Amino acid sequence: GNSVTQMEGPVTLSEEAFLTINCTYTATGYPSLFWYVQYPGEGLQLLLKATKADDKGSNKGFEATYRKETTSFHLEKGSVQVSDSAVYFCALSDSNYQLIWGAGTKLIIKP
Amino acid sequence: SAVISQKPSRDICQRGTSLTIQCQVDSQVTMMFWYRQQPGQSLTLIATANQGSEATYESGFVIDKFPISRPNLTFSTLTVSNMSPEDSSIYLCSVENRGLYTEAFFGQGTRLTVV
Repeated sequence: GNSVTQMEGPVTLSEEAFLTINCTYTATGYPSLFWYVQYPGEGLQLLLKATKADDKGSNKGFEATYRKETTSFHLEKGSVQVSDSAVYFCALSDSNYQLIWGAGTKLIIKP
Repeated sequence: SAVISQKPSRDICQRGTSLTIQCQVDSQVTMMFWYRQQPGQSLTLIATANQGSEATYESGFVIDKFPISRPNLTFSTLTVSNMSPEDSSIYLCSVENRGLYTEAFFGQGTRLTVV
């Protein structure tokens, strides 16, 4: 079946460091891919998305590229801030419109 | 997009009691979804609530434990019944915009602690 695997956390970085959170997926067909973010005490919100191969989603300095050849959608940011501390979820939307969620990766940014 | 208001935002409850969580959406939606997020874990779908019909429960979740109401197209409730400490989780209400792809919108969640 369809699945999403993302790197385990927590990921702890210093402010202004480069961030990568890995996400790989297994799916039939051509899923859409998402990164959601959950700030402390809040629900999840969409961070960025990509709906076809080679698309790059971007928002708030974060980027992720839909790589069909490696079935990956890694999240990157060039210079993280303390305010980026949150839990990040990778997800896919399959051909039945069902959302499949990764386990989440907690990011901690230290000043 | 959709704006979802969920309440209470948190509660501490005694074991054996029940808690009803409310979810209000600012627009009419066909389906509403209830998730559980246990500490340090991902989202687990509890059930899908359709207006005018019984909710559809995922494997491992039953109506007696998690009764759901869906009286209209903008509102739903989830009750956690006969609570035990194992029910301590964040409960999230969600709606989805399904088209070319599915985008989910979430309430702020209810952090439940059972003592």
